[in-house]
Order: sequence, then structure tokens, then C-alpha cells
Amino acid sequence: SAVISQKPSRDICQRGTSLTIQCQVDSQVTMMFWYRQQPGQSLTLIATANQGSEATYESGFVIDKFPISRPNLTFSTLTVSNMSPEDSSIYLCSVQGAGYEQYFGPGTRLTVT
Amino acid sequence: DAKTTQPPSMDCAEGRAANLPCNHSTISGNEYVYWYRQIHSQGPQYIIHGLKNNETNEMASLIITEDRKSSTLILPHATLRDTAVYYCIVRPPEVSGAGSYQLTFGKGTKLSVIP
Repeated sequence: SAVISQKPSRDICQRGTSLTIQCQVDSQVTMMFWYRQQPGQSLTLIATANQGSEATYESGFVIDKFPISRPNLTFSTLTVSNMSPEDSSIYLCSVQGAGYEQYFGPGTRLTVT
Repeated sequence: DAKTTQPPSMDCAEGRAANLPCNHSTISGNEYVYWYRQIHSQGPQYIIHGLKNNETNEMASLIITEDRKSSTLILPHATLRDTAVYYCIVRPPEVSGAGSYQLTFGKGTKLSVIP
């Protein structure tokens, strides 16, 4: 298993600003993922981040809005840019284990006013 | 990923075994059964997975029927902290391409552990 931490745990931001969320893993992993969970909804995958390559974005998500960095095998950041109230969600990072299961961080609860 | 069917809710007395069923009658030969749970306001938590043999770890046991069309997650001694929504997902272990890493949780089973 993997232990994952995220910063910040929650934030309240004004529309038009940007927030960078950090994800730290206690072991080296190849595959990292960023998800969004809107209130009362299931998880939606934003992008897959592999170290040493550009992130792969899912349909409906673009790099200009959600730039991702993956500087090493234990760390990644997701930036939510030019925020609007519709971006209010819980943002989660996850990593893939040896059996292709996913381990999730505690999430970052974002409220945009 | 194959479709799964779970009961919307279940109750279990604290200290008793919680048996959570999942139906996956259209499962393919290369698809595994994965179980996750999500406790309110927390990120999802991986529990266990298996292909055809029964599996056990420190959290739970997974019983898969011989025809692989259904499975049961067993929490042997449920505690109040096991109150959560439990999700059964059927998917191949190795995936590639856009959209393939997405975990589709469905509605799951809301397990309430009662004192």
C-alpha cells in the first residue's frame, strides 16, 4: 500500500484566482492520477501523470485549466486555474499499486466564491 | 468494465460479520473484482481484489463464486468505523489509453454499522 498526503486539506478561493494542490507519496510510484469529486457525485478522472512525460488529460479537461507537474516519483501538483464556482469540488490524487489497484489521498476540499 | 449490481443499503450490528454482495454476471475472463469504500468526507480506500480464488487481507475477505458471476466482501468483525459506502468494480488489471484508468464507482452499498 501507499500513504498519500495532500496540501492544502481545504481552501476557500475567489473566482479568477488559481490554487495549486500538492500530492506527496511515501514511496516511488510510476502512475499518479488526479480526480475531481463534485458534491454528491462519483469521482471523475482529470488526468494521468507519469514522471518524465506530459500528463494525459481525459475528455473535458485541458492543460490550460488544470496544469499538472510531476517532477519526481513521489510528488505531483495540480493547479486549478482561473477558478469559477463550478470548480468547487474535492480534488483527489491517487497512485497505482502493484495489483493495479489505486490508493487515494485524503482530498482537497475547494470552495470558490 | 463489466457492470455490477449492489444493494443500495445494508445494516450490520457492531462486532458481527458484514457480508456485502456484488453481482457481475457479464464479467470477462481477464477482469478482476476490486472493492473500495468511501467514508463520508474522505478519499476512497482500496480494500481488496481478486480474479477467481478467494482472497483475504487484514481488512477483509473476498469470496468469488466458481462461475465468477458474483462475489461477497466480508468484514469479519464490523466496527462503527466501517460505516461507509462500499463499491464493487470489475475491470481488467492492465489498461491503457485515454479513459481507461477512470474508476467508475457506481452507487455502491451504504453500510451502516449499528452499536
